[in-house]
Amino acid sequence: SYVLTQPPSVSVAPGKTARISCGGKNFGRRSVHWYQQKPGQAPVLLIYYDSDRPSGIPERISGANSGNTATLSISRVEAGDEADYYCQVWDDDIDHYVFGTGTKVTVL
Amino acid sequence: QVHLVESGGGVVQPGGSLRLSCAASGFLFNNFGMHWVRQAPGAGLEWLTFIRFDGATTYYADSVKGRFTISRDNSRNTLFLQVSSLRPEDTALYYCAKDMIFGKLTGDDAFDAWGQGTMVTISS
Repeated sequence: SYVLTQPPSVSVAPGKTARISCGGKNFGRRSVHWYQQKPGQAPVLLIYYDSDRPSGIPERISGANSGNTATLSISRVEAGDEADYYCQVWDDDIDHYVFGTGTKVTVL
Repeated sequence: QVHLVESGGGVVQPGGSLRLSCAASGFLFNNFGMHWVRQAPGAGLEWLTFIRFDGATTYYADSVKGRFTISRDNSRNTLFLQVSSLRPEDTALYYCAKDMIFGKLTGDDAFDAWGQGTMVTISS
């Protein structure tokens, strides 16, 4: 089955930019969606179709997808951005949805 | 406002069964595909299954195919997951989630609303 690899953890100072990668084979042709999950809460959609933001998601959160890697960027990081982040794609070879392994973001 | 409320979880012995429900409100339920996703304690998200808005198409992850069955009652705005032949590794918080795209026939989509989950624990 399709595997999406994310770094287990990312640490970032307040006010800086956090970048989370998500890698998979033939990534460029797949659309990537990103979710944020805070402790004890359900996931929330942050980015869909690589770079679009749902209403209510701030502009400092952005996404990009090129080659074999997608990247979620969170600029001007705040303490409230501490959470787990997951990427997700649709694997049309086997009609499955796939989540990445997840990245824990820590604000220093 | 979209609202999804799961119920039906509990403690079950290995080999047992449960029926999970997800009550939906705040959107046209019969026009959106729905999913079940689970999260084992301390672990990541695992997609389990999808059902199309009209129930005509379903997909299953390999880990649950043949043991879990997704269904929906559009007249009651409710999604179901029948879970059977349960194993200790099925212990998890089970979420229902909504497709983002209206009337999507199949394929790529994001999950734009989630419930708070119902806990299933498999223990003898």
